[in-house]
Amino acid sequence: LAKTTQPISMDSYEGQEVNITCSHNNIATNDYITWYQQFPSQGPRFIIQGYKTKVTNEVASLFIPADRKSSTLSLPRVSLSDTAVYYCLWAAGGYNKLIFGAGTRLAVHP
Amino acid sequence: GAVVSQHPSWVICKSGTSVKIECRSLDFQATTMFWYRQFPKQSLMLMATSNEGSKATYEQGVEKDKFLINHASLTLSTLTVTSAHPEDSSFYICSATPTRDTMNTEAFFGQGTRLTVV
Repeated sequence: LAKTTQPISMDSYEGQEVNITCSHNNIATNDYITWYQQFPSQGPRFIIQGYKTKVTNEVASLFIPADRKSSTLSLPRVSLSDTAVYYCLWAAGGYNKLIFGAGTRLAVHP
Repeated sequence: GAVVSQHPSWVICKSGTSVKIECRSLDFQATTMFWYRQFPKQSLMLMATSNEGSKATYEQGVEKDKFLINHASLTLSTLTVTSAHPEDSSFYICSATPTRDTMNTEAFFGQGTRLTVV
């Protein structure tokens, strides 16, 4: 089973940059690392995906070192609406059979 | 982006009855869909893999006779909770990826179905 390790919770303030690191020691060679965001009573929403080095889109950046045993999601200048649970995972068995870990509960304060 | 729709968004049923939840990919075809269950303050737990035209694959510990999955077309998978009991009350979520895409791409999730068994 795919297994990831993330901090259980984090606190931040509006306007700050938030970095959430995830460990995934057993990731397979061909698997990508993907991050999802989930608000209460909603399905997860895709944030970003990467294989190695750095990926950036309009909402986040993803940093992956050469050994790919960890990754860091960076959220620039968070707002109150970024309060959510963030999951890092990779596909197990292909076709996006995603196994969710505990996730990181981010609370953004005014 | 692609859209996955679940119906109903919430349902309340009496203990002992069955409830069907639909998961539709609105603008793409999906050979495979996934069903998850989520209890309050917990993570998503994968229940089963729904395969179009064949039997679903259940994760360890998930009763296949209790959670019936049917994937009759490339855009629709259904999860039926049979003889529901209060302990089945949970948030059920499905996901799908366009068939045409290769591995390691974005998965799209439905908005979830809140099931309450009374």
